[in-house]
Amino acid sequence: QLQLQESGPGLVKPSETLSLTCTVSGGSVSSSSYFWGWVRQPPGKGLEWIGSIYYSGTTYYNPSLKSRVIISVDTSKNQFSVKLNSVTAADTAVYYCARTPGYNPFDCWGQGTLVTVSS
Amino acid sequence: EIVLTQSPGTMSLSPGERATLSCRASQSMSSTYLAWYQQKPGQAPRLLIYGASSRATGIPDRFSGSGSGTDFTLTISRLEPEDFAVYYCQQYGSSLPWTFGQGTKVEIK
Repeated sequence: QLQLQESGPGLVKPSETLSLTCTVSGGSVSSSSYFWGWVRQPPGKGLEWIGSIYYSGTTYYNPSLKSRVIISVDTSKNQFSVKLNSVTAADTAVYYCARTPGYNPFDCWGQGTLVTVSS
Repeated sequence: EIVLTQSPGTMSLSPGERATLSCRASQSMSSTYLAWYQQKPGQAPRLLIYGASSRATGIPDRFSGSGSGTDFTLTISRLEPEDFAVYYCQQYGSSLPWTFGQGTKVEIK
């Protein structure tokens, strides 16, 4: 059974870089059938797609965040990661990692991790 | 960018009643790329419907989706206690960025 688990600091200072990792178990990030992505949700608000990556390293980003975000994949560790730089309080959110089978919706999600941006 | 607008923002219904949720796209889109999710407090979203009308694995048949062009609907035929949650529509596929509606909360009346 596929499981995704986010990990990383729960508190990040303004202007610094948010870094999260998603560890995949019960499946492989090297599969050619899937994209691996990040979605965030500010407290009490809706969902925002951040970006997705294919095992080959091909990435797709939300234009609203593209200048600040990098998503990468580490096939040796079966993980993928997101880095968001120059964070502000507006980046405070629950960050989810998720899987999409090709150009399909997110069919499996991690439990989410809350990242707070505060000094 | 395709903007999705959901209505109503909140609906108050009783168990056993029918719920009809709307998702309107800012431009015509393929129904192939419209999904619905359910989210309960403290949980990740769960995929309900993809391709506008196909139920995801394990989703009860009281959930159904329909629509085309710019207007899409999620219907819950008879609300069960576990169906009270927030529902989001999403457009995916080759039209980037993938976007979500702002959500409709279905609450117990």
